Amino acid sequence: QQQVKQSPQSLIVQKGGISIINCAYENTAFDYFPWYQQFPGKGPALLIAIRPDVSEKKEGRFTISFNKSAKQFSLHIMDSQPGDSATYFCAASRSGSRLTFGEGTQLTVNP
Amino acid sequence: GAGVSQSPRYKVTKRGQDVALRCDPISGHVSLYWYRQALGQGPEFLTYFNYEAQQDKSGLPNDRFSAERPEGSISTLTIQRTEQRDSAMYRCASSSGVGVGNQPQHFGDGTRLSIL
Repeated sequence: QQQVKQSPQSLIVQKGGISIINCAYENTAFDYFPWYQQFPGKGPALLIAIRPDVSEKKEGRFTISFNKSAKQFSLHIMDSQPGDSATYFCAASRSGSRLTFGEGTQLTVNP
Repeated sequence: GAGVSQSPRYKVTKRGQDVALRCDPISGHVSLYWYRQALGQGPEFLTYFNYEAQQDKSGLPNDRFSAERPEGSISTLTIQRTEQRDSAMYRCASSSGVGVGNQPQHFGDGTRLSIL
């Protein structure tokens, strides 16, 4: 049972553009929603995370938007750069336990 | 400081052999997690520990899989009588807190297991 659904599967944007990746979850007990960035041959690296008591969190060019009623959250990458080309995973967890990951989005930023 | 360290980086073995995968978490991290990641997919949970206690092993696929963390630091994931379907990237993650809400999980670079 897929508890976190992620879209799109792949995304191509031009340098300087905005990349948007969306996730939807089912389990209302989830209370922590991180985004991970993964480069080939490396492990996932935490990018930014949000808790459901806020609707938005921004760190540099990366912003998470969170809609608790819709059970959806999204990652926005502003001014996308070729170095942002990677696979991005959303995830969710409850009280420090296991992370449930989305299927991943392969982002390509063309120069 | 050093990140999560996993060894070996690659393991190739014949079907039916036992394998042991090692994870050395970030120093001082209380919680340790094991995941399995198929190519092009997100990591899937296997099991996790707080200190030396195994908190949840519900993600282990069957009884050929086991894990231990006897001294609350290094952990070993053991797969007995390996099968080809066990081939995957096995990832370890650690986090710093227990009982203080969600703490970020930091991942190692994984062990690529190939069963011939």
